[in-house]
Amino acid sequence: KQEVTQIPAALSVPEGENLVLNCSFTDSAIYNLQWFRQDPGKGLTSLLLIQSSQREQTSGRLNASLDKSSGRSTLYIAASQPGDSATYLCALSSSYKLIFGSGTRLLVRP
Amino acid sequence: DVKVTQSSRYLVKRTGEKVFLECVQDMDHENMFWYRQDPGLGLRLIYFSYDVKMKEKGDIPEGYSVSREKKERFSLILESASTNQTSMYLCASSLVAGSGANVLTFGAGSRLTVL
Repeated sequence: KQEVTQIPAALSVPEGENLVLNCSFTDSAIYNLQWFRQDPGKGLTSLLLIQSSQREQTSGRLNASLDKSSGRSTLYIAASQPGDSATYLCALSSSYKLIFGSGTRLLVRP
Repeated sequence: DVKVTQSSRYLVKRTGEKVFLECVQDMDHENMFWYRQDPGLGLRLIYFSYDVKMKEKGDIPEGYSVSREKKERFSLILESASTNQTSMYLCASSLVAGSGANVLTFGAGSRLTVL
């Protein structure tokens, strides 16, 4: 059974710092991996999608990598801003549904 | 952009009431999903549907049912609401692209409180 773990559960950094969020999974047979952002009390916004055949995707200050052999994905946020404060979730697709990690709650302090 | 609309952002119901949560998507997606999200438990799949009138149980279907009479609409039904169904409910849809690559788009969520 696929299990998805996100470490750390919470992270607080000063503005301007570069940071890495981690996502690990137990079964490498995946179709794709998505990173989402969730603001308090709101739905999920898709940030990046990495297909199984890809190694990384970039969007602005965000870069996501995928290493299926080690069961890991990372989300790199460059030059963090207070507006980046949110919960970040990774989710894996291995069939008809997504399996979510429990998220990392990020606070960027001004 | 795909839009997934959940009709109610906040609901307060009493134990034993029947509750309907509605979700509509406007991009002709085949797949639709209902998740609930609870602190410490993450997102858990309740039901999903891959076609009109088709439904499949997810990981936690007990106490819920669903209806998909039209492609764009997927309803979650709580036949007799209980306090342990107090949660954030998230609807999502996807167009299966290629070999099962689900790319989900989520609605804004419905926060249900059962008293």
